[in-house]
Amino acid sequence: EVQLVESGGGLVQSGGSLRLSCAASGFSVSSKYMTWVRQAPGKGLEWVSVIYSGGTTYYAASVKGRFTISRDRSMNMLFLQMNSLSAEDTAVYYCARGGNFYESSGYYDLWGQGALVTVSS
Amino acid sequence: QSLLTQPPSVSGTPGQRVIISCSGSSSNIGSDSANWYQQLPGKAPKLIIHSNNQRPSGVPDRFSGSKSGTSASLAISGLQSADEADYYCAAWDDRLKGVLFGGGTKLTVL
Repeated sequence: EVQLVESGGGLVQSGGSLRLSCAASGFSVSSKYMTWVRQAPGKGLEWVSVIYSGGTTYYAASVKGRFTISRDRSMNMLFLQMNSLSAEDTAVYYCARGGNFYESSGYYDLWGQGALVTVSS
Repeated sequence: QSLLTQPPSVSGTPGQRVIISCSGSSSNIGSDSANWYQQLPGKAPKLIIHSNNQRPSGVPDRFSGSKSGTSASLAISGLQSADEADYYCAAWDDRLKGVLFGGGTKLTVL
């Protein structure tokens, strides 16, 4: 079955760190562009980061310098390392798979169920 | 404040047709395709329109998309109660080097 499953969410204190994982099955995370999108409680979707199949990465201004996206080909997993967390980072974090040949795109055809990250002040 | 502007809410009665707009600029919708996502309460987003007007397999043809210049639209015809959800447009922004999501539109079926 083709799916994405996030893990690693939880409660962390302000200033702390957390690493989210996204396990892929049915396809290779290295062959697609992969992204993280978050949603604060009661708010809309906010794009966080993308990694292209060739390894290029981009970040939203709100997380640049604090978050790092990466992947492991052998484990077929996507990661998001989050440092210097603040209350504003509290959200459900979704990983998603790119659906286009053109990687600079807002086209994501497969989403995980999400992982909740709560940052306490 | 999102750089892709959507109405906060739209409503319609069963069987009606509603349209949700998404207004952007030359650096996003004007130069990239618009994509649309449906998010049911408590669920992950689901792609319903990609590349301006393409429906993924399994999405009913009641859903259609279009783009003109720096704006895009999602039309839903034959409204059903199951369509009650939040709808988001999304596009790559070449100036920001990232994906923009619209602020979301809550669809209520009266």
